[in-house]
Amino acid sequence: GESVGLHLPTLSVQEGDNSIINCAYSNSASDYFIWYKQESGKGPQFIIDIRSNMDKRQGQRVTVLLNKTVKHLSLQIAATQPGDSAVYFCAEKSAAGNKLTFGGGTRVLVKP
Amino acid sequence: EPEVTQTPSHQVTQMGQEVILRCVPISNHLYFYWYRQILGQKVEFLVSFYNNEISEKSEIFDDQFSVERPDGSNFTLKIRSTKLEDSAMYFCASSEGTGGWNTEAFFGQGTRLTVV
Repeated sequence: GESVGLHLPTLSVQEGDNSIINCAYSNSASDYFIWYKQESGKGPQFIIDIRSNMDKRQGQRVTVLLNKTVKHLSLQIAATQPGDSAVYFCAEKSAAGNKLTFGGGTRVLVKP
Repeated sequence: EPEVTQTPSHQVTQMGQEVILRCVPISNHLYFYWYRQILGQKVEFLVSFYNNEISEKSEIFDDQFSVERPDGSNFTLKIRSTKLEDSAMYFCASSEGTGGWNTEAFFGQGTRLTVV
């Protein structure tokens, strides 16, 4: 069946360092992937997305990498800041439908 | 910046009661969704809605659940007879489309439903 999962439940990172959050997916039919950030008591906030015909996409301080061969997705945050502390979810969508399937989430804690 | 708004932010209800969660999606969006997140767990898809009908639903979305777009701006989720296990944060989301780069779903702040 479909599943999207995360390797690390909690990531502690020093302020200013780079963060890497990983995600594995199993549905080879997935063609669209999104990273969301969720702060306490708030809804998921879009960070960056990528389509399956790409392997890398960059935004402001964030980069998403997609490796379709091993069904792996990662989010890189450059120069992590205290405001980056949150839970990060990857989500995937297949071309056959319009629902998002979320992974379990990784909590990022930025240490000053 | 346009945003999805949800009311109420917190709803407490007795088991067996009906609740209606309300959402105002972003005005030019065509696709609407409800997701839920049980405390400490991942976000789960409930239902998607397009062109005044359900386009997809999960196994969670049983006969106790229904959605409606009663007018041009609101999108509601009704739970007819709430159970303790319905306690969760319910998120409404909307997207402009489902293909291309406008697939991005924008989420509201959520309604925390507590069934007692």
